[in-house]
Parts: sequence; C-alpha cells; structure tokens
Amino acid sequence: QSALTQPASVSGSPGQSITISCTGTSSDVGVDKFVSWYQQYPGKAPKLMIYDVSNRPSGVSNRFSVSKSGNTASLTISGLQAEDEADYYCSSYTSTTRVFGTGTKVTVL
Amino acid sequence: QVQLVQSGAEVKKPGASVKVSCKASGYTFTGYYLHWVRQAPGQGLDWMGWIDPKSGGTSYAQNFQGRVTMTRDTSITTAYLELSRLRSDDTALYYCARELVGAPGTFEVWGQGTMVTVSS
Repeated sequence: QSALTQPASVSGSPGQSITISCTGTSSDVGVDKFVSWYQQYPGKAPKLMIYDVSNRPSGVSNRFSVSKSGNTASLTISGLQAEDEADYYCSSYTSTTRVFGTGTKVTVL
Repeated sequence: QVQLVQSGAEVKKPGASVKVSCKASGYTFTGYYLHWVRQAPGQGLDWMGWIDPKSGGTSYAQNFQGRVTMTRDTSITTAYLELSRLRSDDTALYYCARELVGAPGTFEVWGQGTMVTVSS
C-alpha cells in the first residue's frame, strides 16, 4: 500500500483560500466518501479536522471543507489564518489496511 | 472524557524488542478498533496496523509483517504494540488512535505518542 500523494507545501496570505490535494487510486481514495484530513502542529498528535467528505468534529471551523473527484480528494481552507499554519495529512483505506498521505506543510505568509 | 494514554519513552539497542502500551478510558474499550501509527523524526504518518479489542483480531501493514504484534488486555482496557528486531530506522514517535465506527480511516482520538529511540 503506497502513501497517498500530497504536495509537499502550500502557502497563502491571511484571508486567502488554499487547496491541498490528496491523490490515491481506485482501490482507496476512489472507492467512496471515506477520506479524512488531519492537522498536526509540531510536537503534537494529529487532530481530526474533517471526514466522510463533509463531517467536522465539534469545534472545527467551517473554514475547512473537502471535495472529491475520482481518485483525488481536496481540502480547502478558506479565510486563511495564522493558526492554520501546520502540517496536514489525508487518510483513506482498503478492506483491511489504512493509508496516509505524504503530508503538506501549510505556511501562512 | 475519552482518553488514550500511552507508556513512556523507550531507548533500545538494535536487534532488541519494544512493547508500548495504550490505556483507554472514558468509553467502551471493546467497541472501537485501535490503530498504531508511527512518525519518524521530520517525516510523515505511517500506518502500522489495527487490533479489534473485542475479538483480538488484527491486521498489519505489509511493511511490518513478521516484526509487529498487537495485543490487548480487556480487563485493564489496554492495547499493546510490540515491535521486534529493532533497527535504527524504527526510531520514531508511536501513536495509538481510536477509529470512528463506520468510518474506516477516520481516527478521532489519539494518544500522546511514545518516543522509541533505537541506538547502539
């Protein structure tokens, strides 16, 4: 099971929108709606931000949204804020395994 | 509240084994799969496998087959990860994570991580 492909880095100015892609295959990302996204600050455990295409855990801002087309899922952060500067990972699954994306460092300029 | 609390940091020599624990509280231990994920310094997240605390069934990532064993003790609501034949590239932060029921790949609760250092 190979890691899902994400861009290494994405940057934007405060208030802008950025999009992070997550590309897999027809055996994982392309199967159904279950792609999840995580935010990770340095030295901290990952935090679930959004899953199942559109579900956000309590307390997660609605500035985070997702979309999916074929084997690629995308996370959009709208109204970029300084606190959004972190690493972001996607995850998907097959029948018995799970797989993470390669990770994207988001920089707020 | 729902919590996963992991054991403390470990330092091991190459070729040795390490066993990391993950103590669950605040929920029904047997109701959720627990996964293990590791992160080498400066690197991304690497899924290792899962255990079903109810049945003890497991599934391991191919990269760790033959070296990893996941077990649990339901009487103390604790899951364990054992990794054998340690190498220097096993130096990493090891996390346990609870998977949301019905949403595979969705890890809603994470432990604080256990640093394992492999060095001669």
